[in-house]
Amino acid sequence: NAGVMQNPRHLVRRRGQEARLRCSPMKGHSHVYWYRQLPEEGLKFMVYLQKENIIDESGMPKERFSAEFPKEGPSILRIQQVVRGDSAAYFCASSLDGRATEAFFGQGTRLTVV
Amino acid sequence: DQQVKQNSPSLSVQEGRISILNCDYTNSMFDYFLWYKKYPAEGPTFLISISSIKDKNEDGRFTVFLNKSAKHLSLHIVPSQPGDSAVYFCAASGNQFYFGTGTSLTVIP
Repeated sequence: NAGVMQNPRHLVRRRGQEARLRCSPMKGHSHVYWYRQLPEEGLKFMVYLQKENIIDESGMPKERFSAEFPKEGPSILRIQQVVRGDSAAYFCASSLDGRATEAFFGQGTRLTVV
Repeated sequence: DQQVKQNSPSLSVQEGRISILNCDYTNSMFDYFLWYKKYPAEGPTFLISISSIKDKNEDGRFTVFLNKSAKHLSLHIVPSQPGDSAVYFCAASGNQFYFGTGTSLTVIP
């Protein structure tokens, strides 16, 4: 859905570098979700955030990964010291109230670690 | 722990016939279910949804059926068209959105 903006669309990082993925939700949406899709796999939940709060980060790897959704500005998914296994498509979705409504997705960021 | 499961990774159907995509879930607290369609290199797009108070929702060629006692839902596409070829994800709404692993549908002209 064009309303959720993710950038960059493609990101190439060398092993050990940091990757920053940005997500601007649809206007008026205060709930943001990050998902990862590995090759040949489905969408894996990573983290659910509301403005300035992490609601559920049960899908986030314990190390190197972090996410934030500040009061102003986009949500950021940060991956430190990237490894080859981090190569995947990362999708952000937003919803109006987090329950019983649709979540709208951005077009994703394809991260390639070389 | 996969709370939403799509056990068929792929499905091929002749154009004009019915496509039936299945989805099972484990958590009886889920109260809203959705289907998303995804083309390669694009984000998933919302297709159709159903509340747990209903057992059927129809939108044009797309119908979703919900069987709460069996914790099962299905998406019917009829008639199937080549443009329907995509990966279809089932999702359930609880504290967050739980997605299945997807079914790749190929509609053969």
